[in-house]
Amino acid sequence: DAGVTQSPTHLIKTRGQHVTLRCSPISGHKSVSWYQQVLGQGPQFIFQYYEKEERGRGNFPDRFSARQFPNYSSELNVNALLLGDSALYLCASSLQSFYEQYFGPGTRLTVT
Amino acid sequence: AQKITQTQPGMFVQEKEAVTLDCTYDTSDPSYGLFWYKQPSSGEMIFLIYQGSYDQQNATEGRYSLNFQKARKSANLVISASQLGDSAMYFCAMRGVNTNAGKSTFGDGTTLTVKP
Repeated sequence: DAGVTQSPTHLIKTRGQHVTLRCSPISGHKSVSWYQQVLGQGPQFIFQYYEKEERGRGNFPDRFSARQFPNYSSELNVNALLLGDSALYLCASSLQSFYEQYFGPGTRLTVT
Repeated sequence: AQKITQTQPGMFVQEKEAVTLDCTYDTSDPSYGLFWYKQPSSGEMIFLIYQGSYDQQNATEGRYSLNFQKARKSANLVISASQLGDSAMYFCAMRGVNTNAGKSTFGDGTTLTVKP
């Protein structure tokens, strides 16, 4: 079975630009969560979606938004990029909210 | 609020020996889960082991075991018979049932280096 997939794997953007990151969960998984991992730190929770509804939001500015589609795939959008947004963005899926989360390989975003 | 503390930034272990990675936690949730993940240099987070707060026995998965001491709020990971491929970053994480169950709170990780 295919695991969680994310695209693109790497991305370079300049300050002020917008970026869209994509995630496809494991087949049958209805919950998708997004995390930001800055170098040298643990992942920080950004959003959780379950059955296409936002179920939780971390302490991130409104420049960050996300959505989940009918096939349970998800997009994370970041507007007006800042240098501090440079990080590894991880997507995790699970069957329901409180099951083991399985992570994708991540998208490494560099903002210059 | 939930908090995970990993006090060992880096650990070294000789190949074939056992190693314990420390994790303490704090939460107001009466029911929660504790998780350990391995993150190699490639970046992917690999799920290793899970312990529920009401589980009576410590979790085990192959060479991984979780030493769960609820009263001390600790959930240490024990890796037996270390292998060179175990060299990676290890993260302890938790999720609460009553708080956002889809949100994992992570510690800052421990870098494990296995020496031949």
